[in-house]
Amino acid sequence: GQQLNQSPQSMFIQEGEDVSMNCTSSSIFNTWLWYKQDPGEGPVLLIALYKAGELTSNGRLTAQFGITRKDSFLNISASIPSDVGIYFCAGGGRTDSWGKFQFGAGTQVVVTP
Amino acid sequence: EAQVTQNPRYLITVTGKKLTVTCSQNMNHEYMSWYRQDPGLGLRQIYYSMNVEVTDKGDVPEGYKVSRKEKRNFPLILESPSPNQTSLYFCASSPLGDSGNTIYFGEGSWLTVV
Repeated sequence: GQQLNQSPQSMFIQEGEDVSMNCTSSSIFNTWLWYKQDPGEGPVLLIALYKAGELTSNGRLTAQFGITRKDSFLNISASIPSDVGIYFCAGGGRTDSWGKFQFGAGTQVVVTP
Repeated sequence: EAQVTQNPRYLITVTGKKLTVTCSQNMNHEYMSWYRQDPGLGLRQIYYSMNVEVTDKGDVPEGYKVSRKEKRNFPLILESPSPNQTSLYFCASSPLGDSGNTIYFGEGSWLTVV
């Protein structure tokens, strides 16, 4: 099945900088989810988006559900060392296949002091 | 504590030897799913279940079986494992409904088939 296109693949940033990543798809989704995964652990939900155009924040994280329903972005402001990890987007909730979720390949974030 | 529990967390097995990875959730979620994670490919859905006795194929179901006899359990069965099934596997669950379309993941099961 088609996976989401997530970019960038990796980012090397300095502490304090902002981070931005996005996911795009040729399919329309009713739900966009953003996760963070630390080494050896399962993905942890960061932000869930359920409406086109929705902009949601969770601390220093902000995510938006694209108007076309085919894309979403995640921003991390003022990065800190514990932001290191892999960030995944997931699209799901399609009316023709509610239970099927598709994931991006992930964005590896490295934060240097 | 609300959680999704997988067992075993780590397993090395030989080609052709049947194995089962168990998954249990204590959140009374209707929806459960299995994913595999491989480098550069992200998470790919193997099977999912919308409720008891209801299962459907995901994107990569070949070589796997599942069952959903009880709401809380969703085991993944590899009848005849092969080396290309070496991967990190995640079980997940979710409540159904417009406001519940969020997935909660287990900690993962590392499987190596030699």
